[in-house]
Amino acid sequence: EAEVAQSPRYKITEKSQAVAFWCDPISGHATLYWYRQILGQGPELLVQFQDESVVDDSQLPKDRFSAERLKGVDSTLKIQPAELGDSAMYLCATGGAGGNTGELFFGEGSRLTVL
Amino acid sequence: GENVEQHPSTLSVQEGDSAVIKCTYSDSASNYFPWYKQELGKGPQLIIDIRSNVGEKKDQRIAVTLNKTAKHFSLHITETQPEDSAVYFCAAGGNNRLAFGKGNQVVVIP
Repeated sequence: EAEVAQSPRYKITEKSQAVAFWCDPISGHATLYWYRQILGQGPELLVQFQDESVVDDSQLPKDRFSAERLKGVDSTLKIQPAELGDSAMYLCATGGAGGNTGELFFGEGSRLTVL
Repeated sequence: GENVEQHPSTLSVQEGDSAVIKCTYSDSASNYFPWYKQELGKGPQLIIDIRSNVGEKKDQRIAVTLNKTAKHFSLHITETQPEDSAVYFCAAGGNNRLAFGKGNQVVVIP
């Protein structure tokens, strides 16, 4: 069964350092999302891509976060510099082509701890 | 934007009993309502979804009901089993955009 791959699974870093997370979507999925999930909360959208284009990054803290999806396939989310409040699970999700909203397939997530 | 709320935040049930989780949403334009199950250390997985043109949907022990007038929908799990213990998230949206609730911890007591 096809899966969304994310790495690393766990990352511990000190504040002010740079971190990067990688997502490989299910083949053929045009829509890709990065969500942040704080412990005990639901996923919150950071950025949404349709192919290689950003559709929604209104909730992305652009002073320190950046995301790209070169060639419309895999994607990278970067944080520089990391702050204590960035400690969370970063989830990548993908969906099929446009049209009606359908099932999102989530990866296992990348858990970030900022010390 | 869409605002989704879940109640209760924690639910404990005896094995074999039923569990019901309720969600409310704010945007009347939302037309897609999925439920996700998240087990410890894993990403959320879709368990059932419903669209606005349907009032109820069932899949074995799981069902979802939607009341568009009141803007709420519910997840029903019958004959609960220990493996149903997890965090359940509801979401609402459309046009490839979803807003998630804060989650509901379900504990099935053997």
